[in-house]
Amino acid sequence: EVQLVESGGMLVQPGRSLRLSCAASGFIFDDYAMHWVRQAPGKGLEWVSSISWNSGTMHYADSVKGRFRISRDNAENSLYLEMNSVRPEDTALYYCAKATAAAGYPLFDSWGQGTLVTVSS
Amino acid sequence: DTVMTQSPATLSVSPGERATLSCRASQSVGSNLAWYLQNPGQAPRLLIYGASTRAIGVPARFSGSGSGTEFTLTISSLQSEDFAVYYCQQYNNWPRGCTFGQGTKLEIK
Repeated sequence: EVQLVESGGMLVQPGRSLRLSCAASGFIFDDYAMHWVRQAPGKGLEWVSSISWNSGTMHYADSVKGRFRISRDNAENSLYLEMNSVRPEDTALYYCAKATAAAGYPLFDSWGQGTLVTVSS
Repeated sequence: DTVMTQSPATLSVSPGERATLSCRASQSVGSNLAWYLQNPGQAPRLLIYGASTRAIGVPARFSGSGSGTEFTLTISSLQSEDFAVYYCQQYNNWPRGCTFGQGTKLEIK
């Protein structure tokens, strides 16, 4: 059974940094691209970032480009999101999501339960 | 950016009845359209991709149709677990991003 467990979410002040983690199990981690998708409280879904199976390709939403950095450690079956210069509009539940393929289209067939990031002074 | 607009915002249907949800794109997305279901307090679940292909394990009562700018998700006979929020997602301009609709809440009538 695929399991994705996010951690690292917390209350953080605007302008500070934060690192989210996602521990994956139940599938061959380095066979799949991975993504971060967020959901602001009471709002819809927003794709944030993606990384291919071998870290060769990363993509970012315009709203986070230049501030967030995605990475993965295939030896540790882990996905990360480094969030810098955070803003109040980054407040959201951040989901780790498994893609359906090693690269290619952003289709998410497994999701974690999310980790909450709150940006406030 | 391609804007996805879902309608209606809320749909009230009785169990066992058919539900039809709509999603419109601000420009053509071909067949690069997916649907997700999100139950309260849970993560989303992939239902449909390629506008009409059911994901693994998705019941046959879920069907998707459409292409270009107009898409429909039909649930033929509503079960209790189907009352949730549904999101459409376009991925036609990937890797320049993908966008979700604002969601349709399907509630029990």
